Amino acid sequence: DIQLTQSPSFLSASVGDRVTITCRASQGISSYLAWYQQKPGKAPNLLIYAASTLQSGVPSRFSGSGSGTEFTLTINSLQPDDFATYYCLQLNSYPRTFGQGTKVDVK
Amino acid sequence: EGQLVESGGGLVKPGGSLRISCAASGFDFSWWSMTWVRQAPGKGLAWVSSISSSGSHVHYEESVRGRFTISRDNAKNSLYLQMNGLGVEDTGVYFCAREEVGYCSVGTCEWFDPWGQGTLVTVSS
Repeated sequence: DIQLTQSPSFLSASVGDRVTITCRASQGISSYLAWYQQKPGKAPNLLIYAASTLQSGVPSRFSGSGSGTEFTLTINSLQPDDFATYYCLQLNSYPRTFGQGTKVDVK
Repeated sequence: EGQLVESGGGLVKPGGSLRISCAASGFDFSWWSMTWVRQAPGKGLAWVSSISSSGSHVHYEESVRGRFTISRDNAKNSLYLQMNGLGVEDTGVYFCAREEVGYCSVGTCEWFDPWGQGTLVTVSS
């Protein structure tokens, strides 16, 4: 099984900050990675697919990069609505696996 | 875009069974593979099972294989998860999601979107 390790697990930031979350895969997964945002009590919301393609309707301050085993999600100029938990998901093979999550809260 | 609505969650005793459903609307359900993802209270997301558009190919996470059965009825635009031999570790919110497919730099890529709002399954005595 492919393991995804996100870092950090917790991140305190302020509005306007640039935030970077890393997702490392235990083996190469090409660009078969997606990023999600989840708020308490809600379903996950797709931000990025194919490692770097921004989902329609998602603000351009979100961006994704990477391929193989190392990926990053960057939020430029963090907004109040961005305080949430973020997950990466690999779709290279079964079983599909998620990272453990990164909670972004207010500093 | 499409909409997914889960139902059928509830309280069940350890060792019991439950079938949850996911009703799809706004898209041609029969074209798409579908998936179930769960989330234990206060924990992260965990993939459970996926099924191909025709239902001929299914995949399961190791801990549910042999206990859970994913199925679909394309005529009813519905996805199901039959859960048997439930344990407390199966407690959580169960989400259904569509497996989107599109072209990307490496050929075709997949992702889960949209998602339903989830249905809560509680296994407790």
